[in-house]
Amino acid sequence: EAQVTQNPRYLITVTGKKLTVTCSQNMNHEYMSWYRQDPGLGLRQIYYSMNVEVTDKGDVPEGYKVSRKEKRNFPLILESPSPNQTSLYFCASSIGTALEAFFGQGTRLTVV
Amino acid sequence: AQKVTQAQTEISVVEKEDVTLDCVYETRDTTYYLFWYKQPPSGELVFLIRRNSFDEQNEISGRYSWNFQKSTSSFNFTITASQVVDSAVYFCALSFTSGTYKYIFGTGTRLKVLA
Repeated sequence: EAQVTQNPRYLITVTGKKLTVTCSQNMNHEYMSWYRQDPGLGLRQIYYSMNVEVTDKGDVPEGYKVSRKEKRNFPLILESPSPNQTSLYFCASSIGTALEAFFGQGTRLTVV
Repeated sequence: AQKVTQAQTEISVVEKEDVTLDCVYETRDTTYYLFWYKQPPSGELVFLIRRNSFDEQNEISGRYSWNFQKSTSSFNFTITASQVVDSAVYFCALSFTSGTYKYIFGTGTRLKVLA
């Protein structure tokens, strides 16, 4: 089954404790991206990747890191999480930006 | 500036009413792509439709229809004879294949269909 898998689905952590949210797709898609969803703000793109070893900032990259060492994986790293990073996060993949994105199930992150 | 505006934060309708969700976009690019996604209460994001900037044909899929007008930079979504299962947050999005490779989403419209 074609899918984008994010883990974990739910995470509560403390300020400053490094964490990684994993994202994996099995569709051989070139393009992957991370979004955060906040009430009233919709979906905002954090980082995207056009291909292996090619990443670029979206609209809200501060406080996040990503890597794309393999085509299927695109982890989101929060080196020192802060409470303002409490949000619902989505990973997505697509063949390219001209085509529709497939989204993971979301990760609800709470930073206390 | 590249931007997507969904001015309607929340809409409530009674079942069987028709409803139109507005989407206005801004870009100076001549080539771009527009999308609509649905986020039901369960939280997943589901693709509904894609349009490229050179295709202004309206599209109908069952009770759903989309009206793309470059002259007004709008890509509106109409649900005919709404049903309770249509209750969701709907997002409009804009993307490009040159210059910037971002996806830009609107803030979403929450549709509540009351029985």
